[in-house]
Amino acid sequence: QVHLVQSGAEVKKPGASVKVSCKTSGYTFTSYPMHWVRQAPGERLEWMGSISPDNGNTEHAQKFQARVTITRDISANTAYMELSSLRSEDTALYFCATQAGSIFFWGQGTLVTVSS
Amino acid sequence: EIVMTQSPATLSVSPGERVTLSCRASQSVRIRVAWYQQKPGQAPRLLIYGASTRATGIPARFSGTGSGTEFTLTISSLQSEDFAVYFCQQYNNNWPPWTFGQGTRVEIK
Repeated sequence: QVHLVQSGAEVKKPGASVKVSCKTSGYTFTSYPMHWVRQAPGERLEWMGSISPDNGNTEHAQKFQARVTITRDISANTAYMELSSLRSEDTALYFCATQAGSIFFWGQGTLVTVSS
Repeated sequence: EIVMTQSPATLSVSPGERVTLSCRASQSVRIRVAWYQQKPGQAPRLLIYGASTRATGIPARFSGTGSGTEFTLTISSLQSEDFAVYFCQQYNNNWPPWTFGQGTRVEIK
């Protein structure tokens, strides 16, 4: 059974960085890209970027290009998303998700709050 | 970017009623649409993929239809646990690879 378990909620000050982890189990980690999606309060889900765990290649939405870093640790079956230069508008629920064919598996979400 | 537009924004219904939610894509996405249910603070729950295939464990009262640009999610007889937000997602290998509708809130009448 596929599971994606994310790290816990974070509270950060403006200008800081946050790193969210996504530990996987139940499938071969390198088989499918891992995506990161966020949901700001009252907003629709927004795709941020993805990583191909087998070769480490990443893609990013242009909006986040300069601030997001997606990495993975194959030995730990874990993907990471780091967002830098945080501002209040980055307060959101962040999800990791993977796509196996047309079936999608999601982490439980990590709430990141940016507040001075 | 493919824009997914859902209607209506909110639907007030009574338990047992039939519910039809709509999702329109700004260009053809073939049948590469998924539908999700989401409750506050929770991860999206996959209901339908490939426009019409129910995900594992999803009750038969949920059904999806459509192709191209017009898609529909139907709940045949609304149960109390179905009051939630529903949204659609396209994954048609465009850029960006995934985009989402703004959601339809199904609330108790």
